[in-house]
Amino acid sequence: DPKIIQKPKYLVAVTGSEKILICEQYLGHNAMYWYRQSAKKPLEFMFSYSYQKLMDNQTASSRFQPQSSKKNHLDLQITALKPDDSATYFCASSQEMGRDWEDTQYFGPGTRLLVL
Amino acid sequence: GDSVTQTEGLVTLTEGLPVMLNCTYQTIYSNPFLFWYVQHLNESPRLLLKSFTDNKRTEHQGFHATLHKSSSSFHLQKSSAQLSDSALYYCALSASSSFSKLVFGQGTSLSVVP
Repeated sequence: DPKIIQKPKYLVAVTGSEKILICEQYLGHNAMYWYRQSAKKPLEFMFSYSYQKLMDNQTASSRFQPQSSKKNHLDLQITALKPDDSATYFCASSQEMGRDWEDTQYFGPGTRLLVL
Repeated sequence: GDSVTQTEGLVTLTEGLPVMLNCTYQTIYSNPFLFWYVQHLNESPRLLLKSFTDNKRTEHQGFHATLHKSSSSFHLQKSSAQLSDSALYYCALSASSSFSKLVFGQGTSLSVVP
């Protein structure tokens, strides 16, 4: 059974619209992350959360808003979508925030977003 | 800020030949964690190796790497490439006061041919 679920798997959106990417992890982890992978850039860190609190934000645009309604959920709301937002968005999680040797980040299957 | 530089672009190897993918990093922190992630086509990145200890070889699934802090390097090696090794390989760094993120290199695409 998949331990990190991302929904939807594929998403097509119109420029200017708003979408929410869902991430749920069933690994019992306390830290969750969002990364983006596009053709132009390699894997790029976006946000990190620990115990549902924002720890780091490397996304310049406020159009990207993470939302943690539950400990094992970290959704990503994207508003005013642009074609440049087209990418695969990966959710990841780790037991803690990586201060310990064993805190490996595990990646979900990703949501592939295409903005037309 | 922290950064990672990898062997650029596509590396094509004949099956059975040795693999070496270069990775160097920059960080102001003296105790970084270094990782190699592998991503097969249409899959998500998966951890292959990780290291924290200077000059200690770490191995997994036939791959090995040694963290050398003196040269800020963490090169990935394998003695004999297999067709199934064809994938995208990312070197990544975790080094900050909170270790809150992974900083990835640009990725190296490895293609192993018969």
